[in-house]
Amino acid sequence: DGGITQSPKYLFRKEGQNVTLSCEQNLNHDAMYWYRQDPGQGLRLIYYSQIVNDFQKGDIAEGYSVSREKKESFPLTVTSAQKNPTAFYLCASSALGGLNQPQHFGDGTRLSIL
Amino acid sequence: ELKVEQNPLFLSMQEGKNYTIYCNYSTTSDRLYWYRQDPGKSLESLFVLLSNGAVKQEGRLMASLDTKARLSTLHITAAVHDLSATYFCAVDEGNLIFGKGTKLSVKP
Repeated sequence: DGGITQSPKYLFRKEGQNVTLSCEQNLNHDAMYWYRQDPGQGLRLIYYSQIVNDFQKGDIAEGYSVSREKKESFPLTVTSAQKNPTAFYLCASSALGGLNQPQHFGDGTRLSIL
Repeated sequence: ELKVEQNPLFLSMQEGKNYTIYCNYSTTSDRLYWYRQDPGKSLESLFVLLSNGAVKQEGRLMASLDTKARLSTLHITAAVHDLSATYFCAVDEGNLIFGKGTKLSVKP
């Protein structure tokens, strides 16, 4: 079955530590996205990529980094510069440019501070 | 700055009743999406609305889009407990801008 796989499901970060969240899709989608969701809030865009080896900052990119070396993969690193990383992180993908196509979401990673 | 406002943010309703969730937005976009999220889970696409006057229906849910009024509605008919979830609208401005969600609780 085609879909988006995020791992791990739960992740704990120590002070000063970088952590990487994995996102893999086998939908052959060109565009991929990372969102952050805080309790009682909508989703906010962190980074997005519409093609391999290219990505753009979203609304809240500070303290995060991404890479897009393969079409199927779009890992997100939460760096030590992100002072409030506790949140639910959702990865999504869509067909080229995302126009007129709904984004498909993974099951999310819940990140907490130790 | 594009704003997407949903109301109500919380909705408690009895089974069998009808209700409408509203999504107001501040741009001239004609592409809007509705998603459902169960607690601790991912988002599931419900409706894609791509033009003024678009209406989509699936089961007890019906979504519509009025681009002139910059308003989308999600109407619930004869609610059942299984519809309890958080519903998000999202406006497409190149990237999706999400509302804060409406948490729906359907009680027997």
